[in-house]
Amino acid sequence: QKEVEQNSGPLSVPEGAIASLNCTYSDRVSQSFFWYRQYSGKSPELIMSIYSNGDKEDGRFTAQLNKASQYVSLLIRDSQPSDSATYLCAVITQGAQKLVFGQGTRLTINP
Amino acid sequence: GAGVSQSPRYKVAKRGQDVALRCDPISGHVSLFWYQQALGQGPEFLTYFQNEAQLDKSGLPSDRFFAERPEGSVSTLKIQRTQQEDSAVYLCASSSGTNQETQYFGPGTRLLVL
Repeated sequence: QKEVEQNSGPLSVPEGAIASLNCTYSDRVSQSFFWYRQYSGKSPELIMSIYSNGDKEDGRFTAQLNKASQYVSLLIRDSQPSDSATYLCAVITQGAQKLVFGQGTRLTINP
Repeated sequence: GAGVSQSPRYKVAKRGQDVALRCDPISGHVSLFWYQQALGQGPEFLTYFQNEAQLDKSGLPSDRFFAERPEGSVSTLKIQRTQQEDSAVYLCASSSGTNQETQYFGPGTRLLVL
């Protein structure tokens, strides 16, 4: 079992709809959770970080964390074609500094 | 302000050649990380520096890979006797502290070993 798992997609969503991206992790002592966006040929760019259970909203983005279920998600409201990218879920476990990434979910927003 | 920079952006090497990849972190950032990203995969951790100290090198795939950060700023990742399986994008990231802060990534070096 991989430490961080994501559905590789592709996930296709119509413009204006809500895109829902999911991630599960295996290490119960994971402490910090991040969503990065990566456009093709570019480097990862931070979208959201979340550290405690519940929801965290930033503009059109909402991150949700459920430590009991070892599950973190990212919702993108009012999806735009410019949101088309690969979304990487990353986790840092207790006592560590390194990011452990999932393989990424490729999202396409259709105009 | 300036972000993380890496050079070269692209490198083509013949199998068996040595290569050196450079990373300039954000000024003042204490922590520096190297990751390797294969096509279609998420980045994988290689090594971590806190200032000049290499605190974690558990991700380096073989003893052909070596990294240093002698003055606690610029870092170099060296790959000796390159193999085709070393072809990947090498990403450098830095963060301001040592408490799981956000890591900011450079543009990466795309290495192709022929």
